[in-house]
Amino acid sequence: GAGVSQSPSNKVTEKGKDVELRCDPISGHTALYWYRQRLGQGLEFLIYFQGNSAPDKSGLPSDRFSAERTGESVSTLTIQRTQQEDSAVYLCASSSGGTSLPDNEQFFGPGTRLTVL
Amino acid sequence: LAKTTQPISMDSYEGQEVNITCSHNNIATNDYITWYQQFPSQGPRFIIQGYKTKVTNEVASLFIPADRKSSTLSLPRVSLSDTAVYYCLVGDNNAGNMLTFGGGTRLMVKP
Repeated sequence: GAGVSQSPSNKVTEKGKDVELRCDPISGHTALYWYRQRLGQGLEFLIYFQGNSAPDKSGLPSDRFSAERTGESVSTLTIQRTQQEDSAVYLCASSSGGTSLPDNEQFFGPGTRLTVL
Repeated sequence: LAKTTQPISMDSYEGQEVNITCSHNNIATNDYITWYQQFPSQGPRFIIQGYKTKVTNEVASLFIPADRKSSTLSLPRVSLSDTAVYYCLVGDNNAGNMLTFGGGTRLMVKP
């Protein structure tokens, strides 16, 4: 596709259930990023991938959060045993993966709005 | 870990120049400074990036002093459609560095 896509666009779940959020980056982009944005707040960095590996996972809020990427393409963010404080918009971005412009410009998807009841 | 600080909000009027400053006292040698714009219910969109001195593109200018501990995004002659949240991002997109967004500055442009 032309841009970063994310699915589902909205997800409502019950506390304690697991959820899986998907990100399809721009074709050919080697770097992929996940962020969380709570209502009315700024972006919180979660994790980033270079290819299929995640050099730094320390941004993940707890061990209930995990992410993987396969084929240097689609990525999945999984939240286990969801809690109400997990309610937020989860944004994915991708870039060419270089260290300077234009390769490090991040292109964001529309986000997945997660609501935990 | 570079922490950034921005004003929470700013008001302006159409046609004015707007300057938004971001403080990043702990910026590292390899870190770039990037600004993004976000409209409601959308993902952020890249505006401009710099490392030091001044950078200008078709929509904005970015001023970075020699010590790089702050940066100023300058929007010339704003219009109503520039009403958005503006984020300062400091980090090295390379391995091992966490990317830190500021809290964002909510710019309101009035007629």
